[in-house]
Amino acid sequence: AQSVTQPDIHITVSEGASLELRCNYSYGATPYLFWYVQSPGQGLQLLLKYFSGDTLVQGIKGFEAEFKRSQSSFNLRKPSVHWSDAAEYFCAVGGVNTDKLIFGTGTRLQVFP
Amino acid sequence: DVKVTQSSRYLVKRTGEKVFLECVQDMDHENMFWYRQDPGLGLRLIYFSYDVKMKEKGDIPEGYSVSREKKERFSLILESASTNQTSMYLCASSFAAPLNSPLHFGNGTRLTVT
Repeated sequence: AQSVTQPDIHITVSEGASLELRCNYSYGATPYLFWYVQSPGQGLQLLLKYFSGDTLVQGIKGFEAEFKRSQSSFNLRKPSVHWSDAAEYFCAVGGVNTDKLIFGTGTRLQVFP
Repeated sequence: DVKVTQSSRYLVKRTGEKVFLECVQDMDHENMFWYRQDPGLGLRLIYFSYDVKMKEKGDIPEGYSVSREKKERFSLILESASTNQTSMYLCASSFAAPLNSPLHFGNGTRLTVT
C-alpha cells in the first residue's frame, strides 16, 4: 500500500540553525514526491517536487530535498532557518498509477529567535 | 496569482443539520478537490472533480457529497452533520493532474459540529 511517514510531529530550532525534516514513503512504482508548507491560518503551498533526474531538488524559499531510493526517503533541508519558516510541513507521494496525492501527517516547525 | 476562496473561515453547526461548504477558484482550473485536515492524520481526500458535473470519491467520502455545476465552483455537502465531522476542510484546485501541476489551496474552513 502507498503511504508516507513523517516521523517527527514537532521540531524546534533556533533561527539561523540548519534544518532537516524527514519523510519516508512506501510506493510500488516510481514515486512522484512533493513537499508542501502550510503557514498559520493559510492553505498549503508547494515548496518543491521530484519526478526524475537529479536527486537533489531545489525549491522556493531556500529549501531543498534529496531523493534517496535506497532509503525510501525524501528529506527536506534548509541551511539557515528564518523565523518566517515557522509552519507545518507536509510530504506527499503520488505516481502514474494514481494521480491522487497521499499526504503525510505533517511536521510542525517552531523557530526560536 | 491563483486564488482559491472558501466562503467561510469558521462555521458552527448542530448535529443533523445540512451543511454546505463553498469553494471558488478564479484561474479556470479543470480540477478541484476537497480535503479534510485533522491533527495526527494529515490531509485526507474526500472528493475530487476533473470536470464540470463530474465527481469522484476520494479516500473518505462517507457522509459527504459534492456538487460542481460550474467550472469555478465546487461545493462540499454534509447531508446530516455529525460531531465526528468537526474538522478543518481545505479546498484545492489545479490546472492539470496533481502530479503535473501544483495544488492551490484555500485558507480552509474550520467546522465545528455540536
